[in-house]
Amino acid sequence: GNSVTQMEGPVTLSEEAFLTINCTYTATGYPSLFWYVQYPGEGLQLLLKATKADDKGSNKGFEATYRKETTSFHLEKGSVQVSDSAVYFCALRAGANSKLTFGKGITLSVRP
Amino acid sequence: EAGVAQSPRYKIIEKRQSVAFWCNPISGHATLYWYQQILGQGPKLLIQFQNNGVVDDSQLPKDRFSAERLKGVDSTLKIQPAKLEDSAVYLCASSLGSTLHTDTQYFGPGTRLTVL
Repeated sequence: GNSVTQMEGPVTLSEEAFLTINCTYTATGYPSLFWYVQYPGEGLQLLLKATKADDKGSNKGFEATYRKETTSFHLEKGSVQVSDSAVYFCALRAGANSKLTFGKGITLSVRP
Repeated sequence: EAGVAQSPRYKIIEKRQSVAFWCNPISGHATLYWYQQILGQGPKLLIQFQNNGVVDDSQLPKDRFSAERLKGVDSTLKIQPAKLEDSAVYLCASSLGSTLHTDTQYFGPGTRLTVL
């Protein structure tokens, strides 16, 4: 079946540090890949997505590239801000069903 | 544009009691989803509706959980009777309902359920 594996957290960084959050997946066929973010007290929001191999999704300074050869979709940001503190979920969508399969999520804390 | 609305935001009940959650999707969205998010885990799909028909309820514990989407708009999720392991955040999401993988799901703020 489909599954998403995220690196273990939590992650604590200083402001302006470089961020990488690893995500790998297992899926039948050719999934679409997503990063969702959950800020404190808020619902899940779509951060970025990629629908085919080698696509790069980007938003708010975050980027992730769909790597079919390594079945990965790592999230990166060159310089994090305190306002980026949140929980980040990697997810995939595959097959005829539109349901999302999520990873466990990782908490990012950015200190001033 | 209004987002996905859910109520209540928080609910505390004792085990064996019943509880119901309500969701109002974004106007015009044909597909509605209920997810369960247990602390420390990612959301897990419970049930998916396309208009007022069920598309996928394979992970819904049907002996205690039920859901309906009357008239293809609002939806309610019910748990009867509740167990301790049902403590979680229940998320509602909606999407336009196209067959494309680019169809984006929009999530509500969730209902945090605590079963004592």
